[in-house]
Amino acid sequence: EDQVTQSPEALRLQEGESSSLNCSYTVSGLRGLFWYRQDPGKGPEFLFTLYSAGEEKEKERLKATLTKKESFLHITAPKPEDSATYLCAVQLSGNTPLVFGKGTRLSVIA
Amino acid sequence: SAVISQKPSRDICQRGTSLTIQCQVDSQVTMMFWYRQQPGQSLTLIATANQGSEATYESGFVIDKFPISRPNLTFSTLTVSNLSPEDSSIYLCSATGGGEQYFGPGTRLTVT
Repeated sequence: EDQVTQSPEALRLQEGESSSLNCSYTVSGLRGLFWYRQDPGKGPEFLFTLYSAGEEKEKERLKATLTKKESFLHITAPKPEDSATYLCAVQLSGNTPLVFGKGTRLSVIA
Repeated sequence: SAVISQKPSRDICQRGTSLTIQCQVDSQVTMMFWYRQQPGQSLTLIATANQGSEATYESGFVIDKFPISRPNLTFSTLTVSNLSPEDSSIYLCSATGGGEQYFGPGTRLTVT
């Protein structure tokens, strides 16, 4: 069965303390791996899509990387406003729905 | 990117009644989906809303409980029928555009 596993479930960082979130997947074929940010009471906000091993994408303090079995979301010098739940999802083909992991709840303390 | 709006943003409903959620996309999209997010949980796919044909439901979700319409390429509705407290969740509309998948702001449903 296809699975997406995110770790850790929760992460508490001091402001400026860099870290990484992990998303590992076991799927029979991967079209793309998606990262989203979700704030409480809101819908997921699209961050990145990665399509092939070795690909990297950056946005402000966030950088996403992809290998054949996992993806990392690196957060550099985080700020309190980066506090949110970060969701990882995989897609098997172009128009199929995403399969989500359970998310990592990130708290950044000033 | 696609901008997605949902109505209502939240509602409190009585047990046994129904709620219809509307989803509007600002551009024509190929695929639209409905997800449920229960408190503290991740997203679970309810169904794919197919334009001009019946929706495709995931295991554990049935048309009688979650009827879906998609009359055109920018609009869909999800009805949650015969409400029970277990239906209290956030319901999210999603659409693919430009190869990416975007989400609406969600509808928070509380059943009393």
